[in-house]
Amino acid sequence: NAGVTQTPKFQVLKTGQSMTLQCAQDMNHNSMYWYRQDPGMGLRLIYYSASEGTTDKGEVPNGYNVSRLNKREFSLRLESAAPSQTSVYFCASSERGANYGYTFGSGTRLTVV
Amino acid sequence: LAKTTQPISMDSYEGQEVNITCSHNNIATNDYITWYQQFPSQGPRFIIQGYKTKVTNEVASLFIPADRKSSTLSLPRVSLSDTAVYYCLVGGGRGNAGNMLTFGGGTRLMVKP
Repeated sequence: NAGVTQTPKFQVLKTGQSMTLQCAQDMNHNSMYWYRQDPGMGLRLIYYSASEGTTDKGEVPNGYNVSRLNKREFSLRLESAAPSQTSVYFCASSERGANYGYTFGSGTRLTVV
Repeated sequence: LAKTTQPISMDSYEGQEVNITCSHNNIATNDYITWYQQFPSQGPRFIIQGYKTKVTNEVASLFIPADRKSSTLSLPRVSLSDTAVYYCLVGGGRGNAGNMLTFGGGTRLMVKP
């Protein structure tokens, strides 16, 4: 079982460039999440999608947009990348929310120069 | 969202039992307590979840006192491979708000030979 798959694994962007981080899960989970983790820090929630067709802001949504393309896929877009967005991005999914535990992907390491 | 407080770091030796305590004084009635483990360059991995009293699985035990204002993750007979960051999360009550969980800084456990 693949679980949660994130692409790409690594990316370097120039300030002002845009890109989309992709996330797909094959566990038929309803809820999906995007977190960022800065060096030596815990994870901070950017956006989440409780179910297909819905998205909501998390703790640090500024500078990001998301799309819940279908039940399997949840993408994160940076419209105009800034050095402050240099981080490791994790996608996670859950059957029906936090009570059921999250399954995380392996992360995308993004550097904005 | 309930805030959690846990030690920044802990050291232990192989074969010892490790107990990591998390404080969550403003836990809500519907909140669950969940622990995750994170190795370097990987996404967090679900360890255990509980609501009250004691929960045990093949990896760990979780002790929750009656007032639920704290919880203790117990790792029996740790090995070097248990060196990781451990996160205590509180939340997940029913409803949309339950879909958000906040990761604090975690406890960095170092297991020595």
